[in-house]
Amino acid sequence: QKEVEQDPGPLSVPEGAIVSLNCTYSNSAFQYFMWYRQYSRKGPELLMYTYSSGNKEDGRFTAQVDKSSKYISLFIRDSQPSDSATYLCATLIQGAQKLVFGQGTRLTINP
Amino acid sequence: DAMVIQNPRYQVTQFGKPVTLSCSQTLNHNVMYWYQQKSSQAPKLLFHYYDKDFNNEADTPDNFQSRRPNTSFCFLDIRSPGLGDAAMYLCATRARGGGQETQYFGPGTRLLVL
Repeated sequence: QKEVEQDPGPLSVPEGAIVSLNCTYSNSAFQYFMWYRQYSRKGPELLMYTYSSGNKEDGRFTAQVDKSSKYISLFIRDSQPSDSATYLCATLIQGAQKLVFGQGTRLTINP
Repeated sequence: DAMVIQNPRYQVTQFGKPVTLSCSQTLNHNVMYWYQQKSSQAPKLLFHYYDKDFNNEADTPDNFQSRRPNTSFCFLDIRSPGLGDAAMYLCATRARGGGQETQYFGPGTRLLVL
């Protein structure tokens, strides 16, 4: 079993839709949770960062962490074609050096 | 302004011909990472430096080496590239402590092996 599981998709939705991207993880020691956005042939770009449980909102993006169920989510409201990318979830144990990545979900927003 | 810079952005080499990829950072972060990413896969950690301390992943081939001459620069050397080493190579940095545990990635170097 992978430490972080993420549905690779692909996921295709119409412009303006609400997008929900999800990951599950197995290690309860994970305390830091990140979402990266990666456009084709580019490096990953940090999108959202959350410590422990709770929600964090930044514009059209909301990151949610539920440590009791080991579930992390990224919601995109009013999705735009420019949101089309691969989204990677990542987790980290406090004091550790290595991020643990999900496989990435390829998202396409259709105009 | 770019914070993690990778050069070159595209590199073509021949089978078995050594190649060096470079990374520099303006963040003064003490941790630097090298990742390999193949198509439709998550980045795979090759090794990282915590200051001058080098940490190799157990499954990183001996063909891959790294140097970090100072805080700002880090190099990835591939001694004898094989066709299977064609990939995107990503450099990342992180500042330890202060509650910010995030990694910042460079744009990557895409390596093609002929």
